[in-house]
Amino acid sequence: GIQVEQSPPDLILQEGANSTLRCNFSDSVNNLQWFHQNPWGQLINLFYIPSGTKQNGRLSATTVATERYSLLYISSSQTTDSGVYFCAVVLATGFQKLVFGTGTRLLVSP
Amino acid sequence: DAGVIQSPRHEVTEMGQEVTLRCKPISGHDYLFWYRQTMMRGLELLIYFNNNVPIDDSGMPEDRFSAKMPNASFSTLKIQPSEPRDSAVYFCASSASTEQYFGPGTRLTVT
Repeated sequence: GIQVEQSPPDLILQEGANSTLRCNFSDSVNNLQWFHQNPWGQLINLFYIPSGTKQNGRLSATTVATERYSLLYISSSQTTDSGVYFCAVVLATGFQKLVFGTGTRLLVSP
Repeated sequence: DAGVIQSPRHEVTEMGQEVTLRCKPISGHDYLFWYRQTMMRGLELLIYFNNNVPIDDSGMPEDRFSAKMPNASFSTLKIQPSEPRDSAVYFCASSASTEQYFGPGTRLTVT
């Protein structure tokens, strides 16, 4: 099946620092989403981005579908950014089935 | 919109008991998904429905698990009998065919 790999697995930042999270996938996809799972366990939608670039405040994301990767940029990080960031994809032949990566655990310290 | 609603938020039960988890999708969404999250396996799809019809149940672990969607605004995931290895967070999600939105999850503990 499709492999969805995220890097780095763990990241520790000082408040105010910038970071880039990466998601590599092994097959063609129709859909790619980035989620933030906060310390209370809620999965929060960040981006729906099967291709191209989007920005939302301090966060932005870029997906290069032809090269099978996506990047999530976090600028001027805040303690509330802590949690786990997941990339999830739907295979081009996978109907609606989201396949999740293993996540990047981010800790932002004050 | 209230988002995807799940109940209960927490459930603690004894091995062998029946457990029923409930989900109300976002109004107008015609896809509904059940996912499970564990430390060992991460987030995995159990089953999904389109227009109340089950489309893919290949992720349902075994016959002890069953899911229904009697109408467009309600779905249940049932485990009978429950086992300690079923302990996990169960998420329901819905979509209008593209972006999926997740509920707050039900944390299930089977002792």
